[in-house]
Parts: sequence; C-alpha cells; structure tokens
Amino acid sequence: EAGVTQFPSHSVIEKGQTVTLRCDPISGHDNLYWYRRVMGKEIKFLLHFVKESKQDESGMPNNRFLAERTGGTYSTLKVQPAELEDSGVYFCASSQDSPGIGEKLFFGSGTQLSVL
Amino acid sequence: DQQVKQNSPSLSVQEGRISILNCDYTNSMFDYFLWYKKYPAEGPTFLISISSIKDKNEDGRFTVFLNKSAKHLSLHIVPSQPGDSAVYFCAASPGGSNYKLTFGKGTLLTVNP
Repeated sequence: EAGVTQFPSHSVIEKGQTVTLRCDPISGHDNLYWYRRVMGKEIKFLLHFVKESKQDESGMPNNRFLAERTGGTYSTLKVQPAELEDSGVYFCASSQDSPGIGEKLFFGSGTQLSVL
Repeated sequence: DQQVKQNSPSLSVQEGRISILNCDYTNSMFDYFLWYKKYPAEGPTFLISISSIKDKNEDGRFTVFLNKSAKHLSLHIVPSQPGDSAVYFCAASPGGSNYKLTFGKGTLLTVNP
C-alpha cells in the first residue's frame, strides 16, 4: 500500500513568487491534514480536510495560503505571494477514520520550501 | 506560547542501555498523547500513544508513562538500539472531533554502538 506522497520534495523560489505543493493521501483516507515545521521550531498544524471540506483551518498563517482538496482526493497548498518566513518543511498527513482517540496520522516525507 | 515542551534538544546513550525522553505540557485540555519518530528526509512515524485515563502504555521495547498531575510524560526505550537514532517528537491532542496535534520541538536521540 502506497503511503502519503508529497510533491515536490524540495522547492526553491524567490520572494513574491507563487508555489503550489501537492499531497496524495493514502487511498481511502477521508481525513487529510497539513502541518508545517519552520527551522528549529515545532511542527505546527495548518488545516484539516474531511473529504473535500475544510474542517478546521485555524492554523493557516494568513490569506497568502490557500488549500484545496477538489474531489476529496489529493490536496494542494498554494502560497501566493511567498515571503521569507514561509520557508520550512510542509508535511501532509492522512487518516482513515474520523479524528478521535486512537486514530493514527500517517505523514508524508514533506516538501522543503526555501524562499530566497 | 509552547504548549508542549521537550526541553532536551538531544540525548546520547549507549547501545543496550535505556533511553528516556521527556515531555511536559501546559494545556489541561489535552487528553491524548503520542510519540512520533522521524528519520532525516522522512515524515514523522507514529510510535506509541497513551490516553489520559492511563498512566502507562507498553509496546515492545517502548513504554510511555503519563503523570497527569505533573503534566509530564516520558518515553522509555529498553534496550536502545542504533536503529533507534532519530528525532522523537512528543505530541498532544484534546481528542474529540478535532484531531489537531500540538507538537514539541523534538529530541534528537543518538544510540552509540
């Protein structure tokens, strides 16, 4: 069974440019999450999808970030325009059942974003 | 304001000995706690978890202890193996319908042969 797949693995862009990150969850997983780890800091929650609906986007930093999950399959996270402080590793995770005690999240390898 | 704290950025132990990784939390609403392990260039991998109604959970070489009154949990690895060398993240969640993990900064464990 394929795990959570993220693309690209690395992205280097200039400040002001646009970048789109993609996440393919494990097949059949309705729940999809985006997290981010800025250098030297903790991994922080960004948002949570249940199928194509945003369940919780309280962690999104600002309106330069747009996450979509059309059709309830893969998800994209667009940063437009990118700023220096957006640099970090963006992780996607998925889970099969509704969130709750005992439900594991399966993480992808992450996209390392560098904004210069 | 860090709600989950791992105060030791790194830990080095000898193969075969016990590794103890510590984690403190401040939010009383947390009722589910997890440990994730992360190798370089990979995503975090679930290791072990514990609900707030328990004070201990064991899975093979890994045991997690929870002290609710002290808002403290620890991960014990016995015996430690070189393959255990990784970054270990403590995470917490209020559970319920919003599975939003709050992570610590991680502890780099190095197990020396």
